[in-house]
Amino acid sequence: DAGVIQSPRHEVTEMGQEVTLRCKPISGHDYLFWYRQTMMRGLELLIYFNNNVPIDDSGMPEDRFSAKMPNASFSTLKIQPSEPRDSAVYFCASSFNYGTANSPLHFGNGTRLTVT
Amino acid sequence: AQSVTQLDSHVSVSEGTPVLLRCNYSSSYSPSLFWYVQHPNKGLQLLLKYTSAATLVKGINGFEAEFKKSETSFHLTKPSAHMSDAAEYFCVSGNTPLVFGKGTRLSVIA
Repeated sequence: DAGVIQSPRHEVTEMGQEVTLRCKPISGHDYLFWYRQTMMRGLELLIYFNNNVPIDDSGMPEDRFSAKMPNASFSTLKIQPSEPRDSAVYFCASSFNYGTANSPLHFGNGTRLTVT
Repeated sequence: AQSVTQLDSHVSVSEGTPVLLRCNYSSSYSPSLFWYVQHPNKGLQLLLKYTSAATLVKGINGFEAEFKKSETSFHLTKPSAHMSDAAEYFCVSGNTPLVFGKGTRLSVIA
C-alpha cells in the first residue's frame, strides 16, 4: 500500500498564476478529502468526495478554488488565479466507509504552496 | 455542533518523563474520537481511535488515551517521552465532517 500520494511536494508561484495540486488516494477508498493547513486557521476542510461525487464544498474559500475527481484514483485542486493568502500546506486524505467508527483518514504528505 | 478543544497549544517535557496532552470534546452523544500525530513536513498519521468498545485505548508508539464521559475528556498519555515523539498532535472528533482540534505541539528536551 503506497498510501495517499500528492504532487508536487512544493509549489512556488507568482500571484495570478494558475496552480493545480494532485492527489492519488489509496486504492479501494471511496472518500477523498482536501484540507488546507495554516498557522492561523489550523486544518480546514475544503471539500470532500464520495465515489467521485462532491458531497460538501462549503469549505472552499471562493470561486477561485475548484476541485475535481474524474475517477476513483485521481483528484485535483485548482486555484485560479492564485493569491498570496492562498499560501498554505494542502493535504489530501482518503478513507474507506467514512463516517463509521472504524474509518480513519489516511493523509498524504501535503503540498506546500507559496504564492509570491 | 460537535467540537474538540485541545487545552494546551504547546507542551514541553524532558526525555523519559510522562506525556499528557489534553483534549475535551463537546457532543450530545458518545462520539468517535481519534488522535493524530503530524511530524514536520509530513501528513497526519493515526495514533489511536476510540470507538466505544473500551474506554482505555492503546495506540502506536506507546501512546494511549482514556475516554472519560463524566469529564468529556479524551487525554493522550505516554509513560516515557522519546525524542522522536516531538511533533504536533491533533485530537479529532470522528463524525461528518471530522472536527479537528487546533493541535498541541509537543517538544521533548534531551
